[in-house]
Amino acid sequence: AQSVTQLGSHVSVSEGALVLLRCNYSSSVPPYLFWYVQYPNQGLQLLLKYTSAATLVKGINGFEAEFKKSETSFHLTKPSAHMSDAAEYFCAVSDSRSGSARQLTFGSGTQLTVLP
Amino acid sequence: NAGVTQTPKFRVLKTGQSMTLLCAQDMNHEYMYWYRQDPGMGLRLIHYSVGEGTTAKGEVPDGYNVSRLKKQNFLLGLESAAPSQTSVYFCASRGSSGRAREQFFGPGTRLTVL
Repeated sequence: AQSVTQLGSHVSVSEGALVLLRCNYSSSVPPYLFWYVQYPNQGLQLLLKYTSAATLVKGINGFEAEFKKSETSFHLTKPSAHMSDAAEYFCAVSDSRSGSARQLTFGSGTQLTVLP
Repeated sequence: NAGVTQTPKFRVLKTGQSMTLLCAQDMNHEYMYWYRQDPGMGLRLIHYSVGEGTTAKGEVPDGYNVSRLKKQNFLLGLESAAPSQTSVYFCASRGSSGRAREQFFGPGTRLTVL
C-alpha cells in the first residue's frame, strides 16, 4: 500500500521568497514520485518526477525536488516565488515495479498563495 | 494533438438519474484512468484500464461503471446518481513504454447531483 502526506493545506509566501511545499510518502516498494500543479478550473500539469535516477530533480518553471529515502520525503522548492506560481500543488506516488498499472496515489494538496 | 478531452464540461443531475462521462485521448496510450477530486482529499482513483477491453477497480469504485471498447475512449457511467457523487471528475492517460511515463490529464467534468 502507498500513501502520501502533504503537510500544510495552505501555504502563503511573499513574491520573491522561497517556496517550500512538503511531501512525505509511504511505500512498501521503491516508488516513483511526482509533483503536479493545478491552476483554477484546469486539469493537472506535471511539474517534475523522480524515477530512481538522480535524487535532485529539476522541473518546469524553476521548481525542483529532492528525493530523500532516509526521510521518505520529496519536498518541492523554488528559490523565488512569482505571482504566477499561485495554484494548488499535488504530490503523488506510484509503484515502480515492472508490470504495475502505475496508478497514482495523491496527497490532499497544498494551496500556494503568493503575496505581492 | 488535442491530448485528453472530456465531455461534458459541466452537468447537473437529479438524484437517481444516470449519465455517462466520455474521455478521449489521441496519443495512442494504453493506460487510462478515472479520478474524482473533492476538496481536501486530493484525487482518488475510481477505475482504470490497462488496455482496450480491460478495466479494473480503483480506490473508490462503488456507484460507478466503466468501459473501454476502443483504445482511445474510456467511459465512466453513473447508473443512479447520488449527492455524494457531486465532484470534479478527471480522466488521465499514460503510455506504456519507458519508465514512469507521466499521466496526462483532461480538463475535468464538474458534476453536481441535487
